[in-house]
Amino acid sequence: DIVLTQSPALAVSLGQRATISCRASQSVSISRYNLMHWYQQKPGQQPKLLIYRASNLASGIPARFSGSGSGTDFTLTINPVQADDIATYYCQQSRESPTWTFGGGTKLELK
Amino acid sequence: QIQLVQSGPELKKPGESVKISCKASGYTFTDYAMHWVKQAPGKGLKWMGWINTYTGKPTYADDFKGRFVFSLEASASTANLQISNLKNEDTATYFCATMGIKGAFDYWGQGVMVTVSS
Repeated sequence: DIVLTQSPALAVSLGQRATISCRASQSVSISRYNLMHWYQQKPGQQPKLLIYRASNLASGIPARFSGSGSGTDFTLTINPVQADDIATYYCQQSRESPTWTFGGGTKLELK
Repeated sequence: QIQLVQSGPELKKPGESVKISCKASGYTFTDYAMHWVKQAPGKGLKWMGWINTYTGKPTYADDFKGRFVFSLEASASTANLQISNLKNEDTATYFCATMGIKGAFDYWGQGVMVTVSS
């Protein structure tokens, strides 16, 4: 199984840039498709899709969110961070379909 | 608009069974597979498996083979998750989610908290 590794937490100041990383145990890219996706989850809520296929903004997601990466290394960037962005962020791969896995999550905290 | 509405919280004793539901609306139910995701208290997301809403065929992740059953009531656009012989470690929130052509989980239910306690 593909294992996705995320740092457990990241502290950031409001108005600054947050960079959240996700490393896969093997490549999740096929041809030009990078099969990594990002979600935001706030306490007591369901996850929300932010970015699909590494760099595509999901519908209704603000442009301060962006994604990049290929192969085994991916990044979710929030710039600038707003108070509403304090949440836990998960990466998820669909390369190993029909088995899907999530990263352990990164909790974004205020510095 | 697409919505997944799940049933309410459950409190069960070890050894009992539970069945939770996920009712879909706003799209053709058989167009998208339904996935199930577990989140234990204070923990991350764990993919449990999925059910083909067209054929009814379920697929289970390795850790969820045996006591977990995915089923459909297609006429009611509803997917169900049944857990038998409940254990304390089944205490978690269970989410249903659809996966579209992008390979990501586009839409999620609000989650069902299942508590297993004697």
